[in-house]
Amino acid sequence: EAGVAQSPRYKIIEKRQSVAFWCNPISGHATLYWYQQILGQGPKLLIQFQNNGVVDDSQLPKDRFSAERLKGVDSTLKIQPAKLEDSAVYLCASSLLQSGREKLFFGSGTQLSVL
Amino acid sequence: SQQGEEDPQALSIQEGENATMNCSYKTSINNLQWYRQNSGRGLVHLILIRSNEREKHSGRLRVTLDTSKKSSSLLITASRAADTASYFCATSRGNNRLAFGKGNQVVVIP
Repeated sequence: EAGVAQSPRYKIIEKRQSVAFWCNPISGHATLYWYQQILGQGPKLLIQFQNNGVVDDSQLPKDRFSAERLKGVDSTLKIQPAKLEDSAVYLCASSLLQSGREKLFFGSGTQLSVL
Repeated sequence: SQQGEEDPQALSIQEGENATMNCSYKTSINNLQWYRQNSGRGLVHLILIRSNEREKHSGRLRVTLDTSKKSSSLLITASRAADTASYFCATSRGNNRLAFGKGNQVVVIP
């Protein structure tokens, strides 16, 4: 089966610019996650969708980050305006049901560098 | 916080040796998962162990869970160069959030 698709693979922007990432989960997976992974650290959950509804966005910096999952399939994550500390790998993952009970499938991520 | 903390942080071993890494957490959990991440790639699920299980095997992987000590260990037997990666534990308590540890970098020298 096809895996989780993410694009772009790399992105370099200057601070205060905006950027958007795209994710297409595995077909049929109801749950979609966006994680931020700073170099040398584990992934941190930014937002979790169940179909097209938000389940958990408690760690999403809402003043600059936004995400949507229209039609309950693919999703976009946007940062506006970007800060230097946003430099990280942004990972998208999906699961058939809920993460507490089953494994997640990850995409290869988008590596963001903010200069 | 239920974030797992892996120990040791970095491990370098010869091919064929066993690699053991540990993970501790702070509160009760429903299950614990281990993931592998090769450089520049996403995470790959290795194994899930539920809170009522004590040991689980998958190929060359052996995971143990001690809920009284709030810790888990991952053993990779007969390591190969391809096992070079970062390994993360992740815990879930029943809400939907899966909390990851900082990771344990393993280098297998051919």
